[in-house]
Amino acid sequence: AQSVTQLGSHVSVSEGALVLLRCNYSSSVPPYLFWYVQYPNQGLQLLLKYTTGATLVKGINGFEAEFKKSETSFHLTKPSAHMSDAAEYFCAVSAADSWGKLQFGAGTQVVVTP
Amino acid sequence: NAGVMQNPRHLVRRRGQEARLRCSPMKGHSHVYWYRQLPEEGLKFMVYLQKENIIDESGMPKERFSAEFPKEGPSILRIQQVVRGDSAAYFCASSPSGRLETQYFGPGTRLLVL
Repeated sequence: AQSVTQLGSHVSVSEGALVLLRCNYSSSVPPYLFWYVQYPNQGLQLLLKYTTGATLVKGINGFEAEFKKSETSFHLTKPSAHMSDAAEYFCAVSAADSWGKLQFGAGTQVVVTP
Repeated sequence: NAGVMQNPRHLVRRRGQEARLRCSPMKGHSHVYWYRQLPEEGLKFMVYLQKENIIDESGMPKERFSAEFPKEGPSILRIQQVVRGDSAAYFCASSPSGRLETQYFGPGTRLLVL
């Protein structure tokens, strides 16, 4: 079984500051890890994913995440926040032996202040 | 290439009525996933379907909920005798072949039960 924990339901960052969103997972088999972003009243858009290989994954809009197996973490970062980054972010895990169904964290709402 | 289409975008039902939610996957995608997002929560997996087959329905409530993905036409999530607790956003996602393929999400159907 898999589970995902996102630390912090709300995060406020200043424009230009570092964005750091934390995600920890548990999985009994090798996990596949994802970050999605959701803008108000819209569906989810994939930011990046880790399946195998390089543990530092680069995604769209300047985001990246690093898979750390020893820490069971997959934190999302962006060096410099932009106003357009205000949205809700979801970390998700899928087990390698599953049919691809995603287990989502509760989400982190990001507010960007001028 | 049109994205995942869901309709209606908003649906209001009175308790005891039926709700039918439709999902048209992206062209060339034959795998569909349904997720439910309750207020202030992350998305929860409901069911995974391929054309004419239900592959995994482990997240579906045992009663009143059903899903299908016919050979022709959209995937349908059906909720019979709706109750207030069914009020949520229902998202459909599609992928070309399941497993590790990226899931593309639709804009969701927001169901309100009065």
